[in-house]
Amino acid sequence: GQQLNQSPQSMFIQEGEDVSMNCTSSSIFNTWLWYKQDPGEGPVLLIALYKAGELTSNGRLTAQFGITRKDSFLNISASIPSDVGIYFCAGRAGGTSYGKLTFGQGTILTVHP
Amino acid sequence: DGGITQSPKYLFRKEGQNVTLSCEQNLNHDAMYWYRQDPGQGLRLIYYSQIVNDFQKGDIAEGYSVSREKKESFPLTVTSAQKNPTAFYLCASSSPSGARNEQFFGPGTRLTVL
Repeated sequence: GQQLNQSPQSMFIQEGEDVSMNCTSSSIFNTWLWYKQDPGEGPVLLIALYKAGELTSNGRLTAQFGITRKDSFLNISASIPSDVGIYFCAGRAGGTSYGKLTFGQGTILTVHP
Repeated sequence: DGGITQSPKYLFRKEGQNVTLSCEQNLNHDAMYWYRQDPGQGLRLIYYSQIVNDFQKGDIAEGYSVSREKKESFPLTVTSAQKNPTAFYLCASSSPSGARNEQFFGPGTRLTVL
């Protein structure tokens, strides 16, 4: 099946720092989604991207749909302690069943006050 | 409030027993999904259903079964044939209108098989 490579696997940062993470795929994707998961909870959708080159913001979060359609990036500016959690990218490859997503392995973010 | 509910939050079962996890949504979504999450791994698709009375196997369907008799409900049964059932199970739903693929998740059920 499709595979997504998400990096980094984990990040340890100080409060106030900016964060960047990315996902790459071996095939072209039509959709990129970014989720955040708190411990013991279900993932929450942060940003959805549907067009190559699209840049979308949600508060301090900004995500981009790569121009090659094989990657996506998520940036968090001025991190705060509540940003702690696991961030997942997800995407739908061209030719797959409608709605069927592939998920990255996640980036574990730790923010030190 | 509209949303997805999963029950129970924690479930313990003895090895060899079947167990059914509940998933209900009142978002009027057509499609529903079941994922399994293991520590340090992403979400892996077990089964999905795009319409009532129809469902398809995902990437790791062996040892699991589902039904979709109502639009609002998509229960997952973990059978005794599942070799390593202890995991965090997540249900999701989506409304495939236009080009949107956004899936919305429930709070999850943590299953522990003793």
